[in-house]
Amino acid sequence: DAKTTQPNSMESNEEEPVHLPCNHSTISGTDYIHWYRQLPSQGPEYVIHGLTSNVNNRMASLAIAEDRKSSTLILHRATLRDAAVYYCILRAIHRFGNEKLTFGTGTRLTIIP
Amino acid sequence: EAQVTQNPRYLITVTGKKLTVTCSQNMNHEYMSWYRQDPGLGLRQIYYSMNVEVTDKGDVPEGYKVSRKEKRNFPLILESPSPNQTSLYFCASSLQAGGFSSYNEQFFGPGTRLTVL
Repeated sequence: DAKTTQPNSMESNEEEPVHLPCNHSTISGTDYIHWYRQLPSQGPEYVIHGLTSNVNNRMASLAIAEDRKSSTLILHRATLRDAAVYYCILRAIHRFGNEKLTFGTGTRLTIIP
Repeated sequence: EAQVTQNPRYLITVTGKKLTVTCSQNMNHEYMSWYRQDPGLGLRQIYYSMNVEVTDKGDVPEGYKVSRKEKRNFPLILESPSPNQTSLYFCASSLQAGGFSSYNEQFFGPGTRLTVL
């Protein structure tokens, strides 16, 4: 599977925008970029995904570089509830169509009140 | 409420005592999967099921069994638990899987923390 690289940790002030970077220089043309997050003591939850164009949803925005070798998850106005580990994942379809998610170590986001 | 439920949430057991962790989803999802999460190793897939007819091993299936007798349930069975199976376990489901031109987000359960003494 193509690999992603994220900073281990980041801090941000409450109510300010947060930009979480992800490098994926070995991405292939058909790989979707996914973001999941894991709040403390909870299971991972889906945040957003994209292929080439920038994407927006109610939770966040995803900015994808033109060469697709990097992407940035943008939380427009961070709240304390956004403190979590954020995972950048490249979609890979495995044997029999298995959509195994390969989680790395992610970025631990701390929100400062 | 659409959700994935797991039971029990916490379990302490002893080596060799068979146990089952249940997973159930109420979203009529075809695809279900089990992961274990260990410090420094991220989440690793144990087993997955494309539908009630297809179940297969993930990356770390040794010591585990699963069954998919009905669409909504996907129990994880440890026939003879050992201390190296002490971990945090997550069940996940999605509407379907394997579509190259579309994507269905995966929904995760709250986790089961298992300790094997």
